[in-house]
Amino acid sequence: NAGVTQTPKFRILKIGQSMTLQCTQDMNHNYMYWYRQDPGMGLKLIYYSVGAGITDKGEVPNGYNVSRSTTEDFPLRLELAAPSQTSVYFCASSYPEGGSGNTIYFGEGSWLTVV
Amino acid sequence: AQKITQTQPGMFVQEKEAVTLDCTYDTSDPSYGLFWYKQPSSGEMIFLIYQGSYDQQNATEGRYSLNFQKARKSANLVISASQLGDSAMYFCAMRSAFGNEKLTFGTGTRLTIIP
Repeated sequence: NAGVTQTPKFRILKIGQSMTLQCTQDMNHNYMYWYRQDPGMGLKLIYYSVGAGITDKGEVPNGYNVSRSTTEDFPLRLELAAPSQTSVYFCASSYPEGGSGNTIYFGEGSWLTVV
Repeated sequence: AQKITQTQPGMFVQEKEAVTLDCTYDTSDPSYGLFWYKQPSSGEMIFLIYQGSYDQQNATEGRYSLNFQKARKSANLVISASQLGDSAMYFCAMRSAFGNEKLTFGTGTRLTIIP
C-alpha cells in the first residue's frame, strides 16, 4: 500500500531553472494538496484540487503551477526557480471532509534548494 | 476565512506528565474538521487525531485526546503520560466541509520532553 508518493526526495536547482515535483496517490482520493514548509515554520498551502480537472490557489501560489488530469496525479511545477522557493514541499491527499475524510495522508516531503 | 492559532511556540514538559497543546480556530462554516499532526525531527507528518464539528464526544486515540470546546472555538490536544518520543513539532489544522476545502495549518508548537 504505497499511499502518497512524492518524487524527487531531494533536488538542487539553479536560479532560473524549472522543474516538476511529482505526487501520486493510490487511494482514489478526490482531494489533493501541495504545501511548502520553510525552516522552523508551519505549512503554507500552495495549490489544492478537489478532483480531476479542478485546481485552486492557496495562500502562496506565485511561482508555481499545477494540473490534475487524473485522480491519482497532482504535479507541482516550479517555473524560473528563485532562492525564495528553497523549502520542503509536501503533497497530501484525502476524501472530502466528513464521512471518510477524517484522515489526510501526507507524502514524505521533497527537499528543494535553489542556488 | 479560516484561521488557526497556536499560541505556544515551545513547551518543556517532564517525562510521564500530561501536556496540553492549545489550538483555537476561526471559521463561519457550520461543518468542519479539526486535525492534529506530529512532525518529528525526521520531517514526516504523522496524523494523530481528528474531531468533526458535529461529533458529540471528544476524540481519543490511545494517549491522545482532543478537548473540543465548540462555543470557544478551541481544539486542544492532550497527551497523557508523555514519553521522550513525543518530542516533536505539533500542528493543529482545520478544514471546512462545504465549499472551502482548504486545509489550513497553525504555526505549530515545539514540544520537548525532559527526562
